[in-house]
Amino acid sequence: GNSVTQMEGPVTLSEEAFLTINCTYTATGYPSLFWYVQYPGEGLQLLLKATKADDKGSNKGFEATYRKETTSFHLEKGSVQVSDSAVYFCALSVGTSYDKVIFGPGTSLSVIP
Amino acid sequence: NAGVTQTPKFQVLKTGQSMTLQCAQDMNHEYMSWYRQDPGMGLRLIHYSVGAGITDQGEVPNGYNVSRSTTEDFPLRLLSAAPSQTSVYFCASRKQGIHGYTFGSGTRLTVV
Repeated sequence: GNSVTQMEGPVTLSEEAFLTINCTYTATGYPSLFWYVQYPGEGLQLLLKATKADDKGSNKGFEATYRKETTSFHLEKGSVQVSDSAVYFCALSVGTSYDKVIFGPGTSLSVIP
Repeated sequence: NAGVTQTPKFQVLKTGQSMTLQCAQDMNHEYMSWYRQDPGMGLRLIHYSVGAGITDQGEVPNGYNVSRSTTEDFPLRLLSAAPSQTSVYFCASRKQGIHGYTFGSGTRLTVV
């Protein structure tokens, strides 16, 4: 079946540190891949996406590259800020008439000054 | 635009009670979904709809009903609440042909 695996958290970083959150997936066919972010007390927001192999999604300094050969979609940011503290969800969607989105368990990130 | 609006934000139910979680979107999105979020499990799809009058089951549909009489509204009904339904519920919508969902701010439900 389709599934998403994320690195376990919580992750704690100092401000301006480099961030990597690992994400790997299992899917039939050719999924689209997403990163969503959830700030405390809020719903999820789409952070970035990639719809085919080798695509790079980017937004707000975050990047992730769709790697079909390693079935991965790792999230990176060169210099994190306190305001990046949130839970990050990797997700995929497969399907034709409707894309059922499969979410990973989420990785909590805390950035300290 | 208000986006996706969920009501109520918090609810406490007794076991066996029924209730409806409301979800409305003003973006003319065709696709709408209900998810539940539980610690360490990410989000799991309960029910979804690809348009008015069309609904289908997701991964964890038992104990929940939905209907989609209009494009804007997609209520989720708990028929007989159980403690296992204690969770945070999110409604989401998207436009056909556009990847990525817009989420509501959630309803935190506690069943005692």
